[in-house]
Amino acid sequence: QVQLQESGPGLVKPSETLSLTCTVSGYSISSGYYWGWIRQPPGEGLEWIGNIYHSGSTYYNPSLKSRVTISVDTSKNQFSLRLSSVTAADTAVYFCARFALRQIPRGFDIWGQGTMVTVSS
Amino acid sequence: DIQLTQSPSFLSASVGDRVTITCRASQGISSYLAWYQQKPGKAPKLLIYAASTLQSGVPSRFSGSGSGTEFTLTISSLQPEDFATYYCQQLNSYLLTFGQGTRLEIK
Repeated sequence: QVQLQESGPGLVKPSETLSLTCTVSGYSISSGYYWGWIRQPPGEGLEWIGNIYHSGSTYYNPSLKSRVTISVDTSKNQFSLRLSSVTAADTAVYFCARFALRQIPRGFDIWGQGTMVTVSS
Repeated sequence: DIQLTQSPSFLSASVGDRVTITCRASQGISSYLAWYQQKPGKAPKLLIYAASTLQSGVPSRFSGSGSGTEFTLTISSLQPEDFATYYCQQLNSYLLTFGQGTRLEIK
């Protein structure tokens, strides 16, 4: 079955760049679907960060757009998130997920388990 | 940006109860709305998409309705495993947004 797994540092210093990778197994990214990142600060709700299509087309949350880059590496079946100039407000659990868009948008149907990233010196 | 407002933010109910959660959009989104369930320490789970279509494997006690700006998620008879936080998400544009969540707790 399709599985997603986030990986990356759990601690990032303020002003530095947060980098996470999502490895997809059981499905080839280049076959289709959009792939996305969502985050959740401790005790708070979900915030969509952005999506990428296998072709490389990206869509970002306007509130984060100036600091976010999402990229895809089809050869490794991975997609990645980079968030620059982080502050304590970027401390959150970061999820990667598959966005189903088949005739109509269906939402994020498969999720990774999430990875906690803390921004602190 | 399309804003989503869920009500109530907190709901206390008993096993067997029928509960309804509302999600209102700041502008019309046709039927492009999804509902998720999230349990503590876990990733969200897709329950419903296209406002009323049940995701595969989701129990039939869950149902969704609505279109335009007002949507509801109904659980017909609460089971112990249903106590969780529920989020709506609009899918009307490529810029996605979530509601703030409704926490459903055992009375």
